[in-house]
Amino acid sequence: GQNIDQPTEMTATEGAIVQINCTYQTSGFNGLFWYQQHAGEAPTFLSYNVLDGLEEKGRFSSFLSRSKGYSYLLLKELQMKDSASYLCAVVDSNYQLIWGAGTKLIIKP
Amino acid sequence: GAVVSQHPSWVICKSGTSVKIECRSLDFQATTMFWYRQFPKQSLMLMATSNEGSKATYEQGVEKDKFLINHASLTLSTLTVTSAHPEDSSFYICSARDLGGGRDTGELFFGEGSRLTVL
Repeated sequence: GQNIDQPTEMTATEGAIVQINCTYQTSGFNGLFWYQQHAGEAPTFLSYNVLDGLEEKGRFSSFLSRSKGYSYLLLKELQMKDSASYLCAVVDSNYQLIWGAGTKLIIKP
Repeated sequence: GAVVSQHPSWVICKSGTSVKIECRSLDFQATTMFWYRQFPKQSLMLMATSNEGSKATYEQGVEKDKFLINHASLTLSTLTVTSAHPEDSSFYICSARDLGGGRDTGELFFGEGSRLTVL
């Protein structure tokens, strides 16, 4: 079966750095998305990785290792507004999106 | 980036009535749109893939006759929840990819979401 694993909840301190991991087992691979979702709102696109390596975009970076079936989202200089759920999603060989359950990130002052 | 607009944002209806949710791509043409449902504290679940000019493709377990999808133009897809019941109360979200002009980055653009409450 297809599976996406990410931690259910993480807590970090304002101004710090946090890394949210995502591991996947899917039938084929055509890219991996990270989305941010605040409670009651639609997801917001953060990043898309299809090749191995690190993609940096401001305070957020995303890393992919296809051989390991592994990705992480790195958030730097955390702000209170970063408190949200972070969703990892993989595009499989049929171009279907397989979603993780999301990681709820709690930022403390 | 491309803009997807969803309407209404909130809807409350009585059990047994039907509700229509619209999803529009405002500045690009979307031959394919996706409809998701999200129950509280759960992940997004793909319900169906909406294809312009043809029948939608439904995911396993999603009732075609209950969740009617119409994608009559390149900028509009509608989801109608027929004979809604309280268990249909959920957050419904649409998304689309901008495939035009070689701009496809794989990014999905989401609508704002529609929260349905069935009394």
